Amino acid sequence: GAVVSQHPSWVICKSGTSVKIECRSLDFQATTMFWYRQFPKQSLMLMATSNEGSKATYEQGVEKDKFLINHASLTLSTLTVTSAHPEDSSFYICSALSRESYEQYFGPGTRLTVT
Amino acid sequence: AQSVTQPDIHITVSEGASLELRCNYSYGATPYLFWYVQSPGQGLQLLLKYFSGDTLVQGIKGFEAEFKRSQSSFNLRKPSVHWSDAAEYFCAVRGGADGLTFGKGTHLIIQP
Repeated sequence: GAVVSQHPSWVICKSGTSVKIECRSLDFQATTMFWYRQFPKQSLMLMATSNEGSKATYEQGVEKDKFLINHASLTLSTLTVTSAHPEDSSFYICSALSRESYEQYFGPGTRLTVT
Repeated sequence: AQSVTQPDIHITVSEGASLELRCNYSYGATPYLFWYVQSPGQGLQLLLKYFSGDTLVQGIKGFEAEFKRSQSSFNLRKPSVHWSDAAEYFCAVRGGADGLTFGKGTHLIIQP
């Protein structure tokens, strides 16, 4: 089946630094990937839609300059949290859209802790 | 804008008993609806989806869901739950730009 990986699975960084999270579709090509954020014991909130070769589309209220998204290839999208603050601590989950099944395949998530 | 409501934050069911998790959606067009399960510290796993056709959808792990347009509902059911079904369940609707809008989730507790 379709597999999506994320790296790293867990990262701790200091306030003010930047951290990059990778999302890869391992056995299919994804022209569209999505980034979600999940706070503890809460639901997932769509942050942005990433299309290969073009700028990401951000949901209302998501700072595009803080959450930089790059989708340089059909199998890789990256999310960079710039100048991280403790309130950015969260679980970040990516998904990749299969145009064949119209199903989103989710990665296992990355837990970010900003100290 | 689309929205999803899962009215039950927590549900406790005895092992072997039947289960129904409620989901109501708001969407202007024909909805694409999904149910996902998330175990602690794990990613999301798709249980089933509805795009069109038969309104009773069969999924994995013995789950099924019924789409009722008149009630704007897509409730998840299982005839007999197992302890391993304890998890967080999310109902979701696909939005116009393909991104999913999730409900707040229902935490399922299984009593022995």
